[in-house]
This record gives sequence, structure tokens and C-alpha cells, in this order.
Amino acid sequence: DAKTTQPNSMESNEEEPVHLPCNHSTISGTDYIHWYRQLPSQGPEYVIHGLTSNVNNRMASLAIAEDRKSSTLILHRATLRDAAVYYCILKRRGGADGLTFGKGTHLIIQP
Amino acid sequence: DAGVTQSPTHLIKTRGQQVTLRCSPKSGHDTVSWYQQALGQGPQFIFQYYEEEERQRGNFPDRFSGHQFPNYSSELNVNALWLGDSALYLCASSQLRGATGELFFGEGSRLTVL
Repeated sequence: DAKTTQPNSMESNEEEPVHLPCNHSTISGTDYIHWYRQLPSQGPEYVIHGLTSNVNNRMASLAIAEDRKSSTLILHRATLRDAAVYYCILKRRGGADGLTFGKGTHLIIQP
Repeated sequence: DAGVTQSPTHLIKTRGQQVTLRCSPKSGHDTVSWYQQALGQGPQFIFQYYEEEERQRGNFPDRFSGHQFPNYSSELNVNALWLGDSALYLCASSQLRGATGELFFGEGSRLTVL
């Protein structure tokens, strides 16, 4: 499986934007970029995914580099409820494969 | 609409025992996957069930086995428990032919092996 690299932790202030980076230099043309987050004492939760173009949904935005070797998850206005571990995962298009989680980025939000 | 439900939420076993964990998928989902999450680590894929068969398996020994029932619910069985099996066990459901492949996770079953 292609690997992803994320910072271990990041800190941000409440009501400010947060940019969570992910490197995936060995990504293949059939890999989608998925983001999940895991709040304390809960199972992971889907956030967003994309292939080549930038994507927006109600939770976040995903900015994908032109060469697809990196991406950034953007939380436009962080709240205390966004404090979680964020996982960047590559998933083969059309595949029913299990997800390969790394250690993710522990996002700390300061009030 | 109930999401993914897992039982029990917590349980304690001793070394050598066997455990069965249960999962009911989100309504409309036909695929169930199981993950093991050790403290401070990301979830690790155990296996996936679709149409009552194991379709894919991660790097876990045969002590880990499962089953999927006609109503799509699933069980995870672990035999000959040892201390290293202590973890949060997560069930995730999806539609095999779903457009996004999005997984919906339950809140997990916390297993402690003494």
C-alpha cells in the first residue's frame, strides 16, 4: 500500500482556520485520498475524499497538489469539537480494500 | 436511522480464553470490516465480510475469525487470547458498490486481557 506521512500533532486556536498536511509521494493514479477523524472515545468518522480536484463539503475542504504527492485538509473555522486525531489514507479506486491507517495528526484546539 | 452498533462496549478476559464481539451494520449496508486499535495507534485492518464470506484479510493470525449473517450483521471471534490482544475493536460498514467507499464506524468494543 502507498504510504502517507503526517505530523504527529498540531495546535490551533478556536475559530481560526486549520491546515492539516499530508504527504503521499508514492501515490498511484488509481488512489483516492481519504480523510477520517477520530474524536476521543469514538470510532473514526469520514471527513472527505478526493482524486485530483479540490473538494468541499460541510465539514472541510481538501486541497490536492497538482502532482498529487501531497494534500491539505482545511477546517475553515475550528471549534473545540474539532479536537481529534486526523488520518490521511490512500484508497484504491474501485477497491473494496481495508483502509491502512497511520498514526494520524493529533489536532489540539485552544480556546 | 441507527448507525453501526457494537456489543459489548467493554469486556475483560483472561489469557487463553475466547471472545466473541458483535456488530450490526448501518441500514442499507452489505459489507462489514473489523479493525483492531491498540492504545495510541491507528486502527489496523483485520478482515472484511461480504455476502457471508471473508473477502479480504489483513496481517492477523488464524486465531482471529469471523462470520457474517444473512441480515449482514457480523461477529469477530478471537481464540487463545493473550495480553497483546488488549485493544479497541472497531466494526465498520459500507456498501461494496458504494460511490464513495465511505466507511461508517461503530464506537468499538474495548477488550482487556489480564
